[in-house]
Amino acid sequence: QSVLTQPPSVSAAPGQKVSISCSGTSSNIGSNYVSWYQQIPGTAPKLLIDDKNKRPSGIPDRFSGSKSGTSATLDITGLQTGDEAHYYCGTWDNGLAAVVFGGGTHLTVL
Amino acid sequence: QVQLQESGPGLVKPSQTLSLTCTVSGASISSSPYYWSWIRQPAGKGLEWIGRIYGSGSTNYNPSLQSPVSLSVDASNNQFSLKLTSLTAADTAVYYCARGGRGHFHYWGQGTLVTVSS
Repeated sequence: QSVLTQPPSVSAAPGQKVSISCSGTSSNIGSNYVSWYQQIPGTAPKLLIDDKNKRPSGIPDRFSGSKSGTSATLDITGLQTGDEAHYYCGTWDNGLAAVVFGGGTHLTVL
Repeated sequence: QVQLQESGPGLVKPSQTLSLTCTVSGASISSSPYYWSWIRQPAGKGLEWIGRIYGSGSTNYNPSLQSPVSLSVDASNNQFSLKLTSLTAADTAVYYCARGGRGHFHYWGQGTLVTVSS
């Protein structure tokens, strides 16, 4: 049971937009920045959105993050087949004094 | 360019101790203003943060972990290490080292698979 809640899977057609949600509490998302990661099977997670809500160098602007209250959202526009992967949100939890992650969302590009 | 590389045994027996090392290049662990973390991922499951260490040696650990854990820094070799004791099958996972410690991990190692089995 992950501290942050993500939908297990989402899907959309190439060229479309998809949003992946990440729900938490006032102890984590409500008071800290959220980062997002993309993981292709067999590889290490790759940072998509950092804790300042910015994209690291090399990450296309099709990926964007936002936060409202105790929830965060990763938006991916102009979907490509190469975007098929697992996506994770992560942040600090003040109560646990630990990094917490969502359970991950598998994106299928139909 | 910061690079991290995990090393250690791929197979450990139950109840024994796992020791993994992360070798960092492109940045100095002891003088960088960053945390350095260990994260693991059981097959087919999500990410679990194990703990973090600062260059000064101060540490924080995930209170949810079942097995006792400790992190240390070897500044002379620019490495940081993980020690996990009293292993069970539940500790079987891919173990990653990464730079960061508050949920923001920009650089990751490639990961190393550790299997706990007799």
